Amino acid sequence: RKEVEQDPGPFNVPEGATVAFNCTYSNSASQSFFWYRQDCRKEPKLLMSVYSSGNEDGRFTAQLNRASQYISLLIRDSKLSDSATYLCAVNMGRRALTFGSGTRLQVQP
Amino acid sequence: ETGVTQTPRHLVMGMTNKKSLKCEQHLGHNAMYWYKQSAKKPLELMFVYNFKEQTENNSVPSRFSPECPNSSHLFLHLHTLQPEDSALYLCASSQDRGNREAFFGQGTRLTVV
Repeated sequence: RKEVEQDPGPFNVPEGATVAFNCTYSNSASQSFFWYRQDCRKEPKLLMSVYSSGNEDGRFTAQLNRASQYISLLIRDSKLSDSATYLCAVNMGRRALTFGSGTRLQVQP
Repeated sequence: ETGVTQTPRHLVMGMTNKKSLKCEQHLGHNAMYWYKQSAKKPLELMFVYNFKEQTENNSVPSRFSPECPNSSHLFLHLHTLQPEDSALYLCASSQDRGNREAFFGQGTRLTVV
């Protein structure tokens, strides 16, 4: 089993739609969680951290479910500019971040 | 000035060449990383440095040789690479190796011919 798993997609959604991605992790001792956005041929950029209580930043909401060992990212009112690959990252103690392979989102007009 | 700067942005090298990738971070972080991203593959961690000391080497072939002279600079020395080493090489930094987010440089797109 991979340490961090994501559905590769692509998720094709119309503008204005709500879309959600999940990311599962294998290590129950994982301590911190993040969502990154990566545009084609660019570097990953931090989108948001994922806190135990969940957190929201504008149209983006991140949740953590420790019991089922997954994190989620919800995007409301999708924009064309949201089209990208979304990477989840998990820190399992005092190690570097482990990344999922990413979920590709394509928002269509 | 961006937080993490990598040079060069693009590099084409022959299998017998020797080249170096450079990374500099201006964020005051203590940990620095090299990741490799091949087409349609997840980010692969290569090396981790914490306070200039190498703390992880994820079974990376010896043709890749990292160097960290101080907490702000990280190099990746390349020699006798193979075409399958062609990839995007990303440098990142974080406050420490623990539970903090990492910030990436723009990457070096390497092509080995």
